Amino acid sequence: NAGVMQNPRHLVRRRGQEARLRCSPMKGHSHVYWYRQLPEEGLKFMVYLQKENIIDESGMPKERFSAEFPKEGPSILRIQQVVRGDSAAYFCASSPPENWGSYNEQFFGPGTRLTVL
Amino acid sequence: GQQVMQIPQYQHVQEGEDFTTYCNSSTTLSNIQWYKQRPGGHPVFLIQLVKSGEVKKQKRLTFQFGEAKKNSSLHITATQTTDVGTYFCAGVIQGAQKLVFGQGTRLTINP
Repeated sequence: NAGVMQNPRHLVRRRGQEARLRCSPMKGHSHVYWYRQLPEEGLKFMVYLQKENIIDESGMPKERFSAEFPKEGPSILRIQQVVRGDSAAYFCASSPPENWGSYNEQFFGPGTRLTVL
Repeated sequence: GQQVMQIPQYQHVQEGEDFTTYCNSSTTLSNIQWYKQRPGGHPVFLIQLVKSGEVKKQKRLTFQFGEAKKNSSLHITATQTTDVGTYFCAGVIQGAQKLVFGQGTRLTINP
């Protein structure tokens, strides 16, 4: 059973370009979460998605950032018109479709390290 | 603002010394999880605590959940170089469907 996969592992973009980060959850997992981690800092929740639905996007910046988890294919985190402050590690995590009364661990992918020049 | 605070931010110890990191929430937690992130790696789940006052052990690691379900701690006995990394607590705020991570405690060890 493959773990959570993210690609690319490293992404370099110039200011103003678009960044697309992909996440394939573990097999059987229907919940996907995106986090951002700045150097020497903790993980900041961005968005929680289930298939074709955004459940909680309270951590997403209002502009330039969007996320989706289509019926088929990976979850995508899209950053438009990147700025230097977007440079960070972006982690995706997945969990199985349990209800919150029996909340389970989140399985993290290896992350995408985004560098904006 | 930050709802889960973790201290200390950094801890450097001699190999063989003990280590403790503390996690405090401003609101009651449904449960709390602990993760470890090695340098350059990704967070890896260690444990989940659910019950008030719960204590769990994993070899040299002891995890506690406070009676009020607002604080937690991780204690490592006799640290080894393999314990190096950043330890994060993550709480599920009651009524919210997401994990809120603490800032983490970065542990470095002098062999």
